[in-house]
This record gives sequence, structure tokens and C-alpha cells, in this order.
Amino acid sequence: SYELTQPPSVSVSPGQTARIACSGDALPKKYASWYQQKSGQAPVLLIFEDDKRPSGIPERFSGSSSGTMATLTISGAQVEDEADYYCSSTDNNDDHWVFGGGTKLTVL
Amino acid sequence: EVQLVESGGGLVKPGGSLRLSCAASGFPFNIAWMHWVRQAPGKGLEWVGRIKSKTDGGTTDYSTPVKGRFTISRDDSHNTLYLQMSGLNTEDTAVYFCTTDSTYFWGQGALVTVSS
Repeated sequence: SYELTQPPSVSVSPGQTARIACSGDALPKKYASWYQQKSGQAPVLLIFEDDKRPSGIPERFSGSSSGTMATLTISGAQVEDEADYYCSSTDNNDDHWVFGGGTKLTVL
Repeated sequence: EVQLVESGGGLVKPGGSLRLSCAASGFPFNIAWMHWVRQAPGKGLEWVGRIKSKTDGGTTDYSTPVKGRFTISRDDSHNTLYLQMSGLNTEDTAVYFCTTDSTYFWGQGALVTVSS
């Protein structure tokens, strides 16, 4: 079955840029989305269609995709950005969604 | 204001059944494609399945672990999405979220615990 691979953890100091990668064989043809999830809460959509930001999401969150890799960039990470981050996409037939395993971001 | 409110979670024995509901409001539910996503304790997000709108055929797709055991349905007259779960096992223990196809809106989740 199709898989998306993320690093388990990323750590940055406040004000630094955090980059979280997501790799998948179908990403050259399929859009990636990114979600932030804080403990005990529902996920929040941060990025859709590789690089589009929903209204209300701070500009420091951006997305990009090249080849088999999608990347979430948090420019000037803040302590409040500590959370789990997930990428998602669809399989080649668009029948099934897939989530990456998640990346725990630590900002300290 | 868009709202998705799940209900029906609880404790069920292995092999048992449970039906979750997701009450939707604030958007045209009848044309929305809807999904269920789950999260086991301490684990990541896992897609469960999707139902298309009736105008798009109303068809369903499921992830491999739940196919044949779970059924997604909808009642557009009551703006409600359902997840019928049967043959439950301990690996189905999770918080179950309903979400729109855009994933912009999510419910708060319903906890399903499968234990003897």
C-alpha cells in the first residue's frame, strides 16, 4: 500500500526556520496537504494543494513540493508552534487518502 | 458557522459493533464528500474511508484494515454522516474524526475503546 514518510521529530530554537519533509512516490502527480495537531485537539489544515494556505493560517507557514518530496516550512518558528505535523495525499487512483506518520516539532 | 459533531463512541467488546454519527451544519452537506479519520492512542492519523455525495454517485471507499467490517453512509435529510463498525478488535481503539473533503473542517472526535 502507498506510504508517505516523515521524520519522527524536528527540533529548532525560537525564531529559526523549521522544515519538515514528506516523501512519497506519487507526490510528483498528487497534491500534498499539511496539518497541525496539538495534544487532545482535532487537526488543523495548514497547507493544501502543495502550497496554498487557508485563510487564518499565519504567513510563517508555507509549503512546497518537488519530485517525490513535499516540504512544510515554518519561518521564524514560535514556541506555540510546538505540535505534531502530518502530511497527507492520495494514492494514484485518488481513491484512498494517506497520512504520513507525523513529525513532532519541538521549539526550545 | 460550520460544525461537525461526532457521537456514539464508547466501550465495546472485541467482536462487537458500534455506530458513530457525525451531525453537520453550516454548509451544504448534501453535496459534500465526507471522510472518517481515526487516531489510535499515541499514534498518528489514519484514513478510514470516504463517501461521495449522492449527486456524484454516493460511492464509498475504505482503507484496507477496515474494508469489509466498516460501512460509511449518509442521511442528507438529517445532515448526518454515519460509520457503522462491526467485527471490532483492539486495534480499532481510537478517536474517530469526521471531516469534509477539503479537510478544512473537523469534528472534535469520538473515542471508541475495544476491550474485554
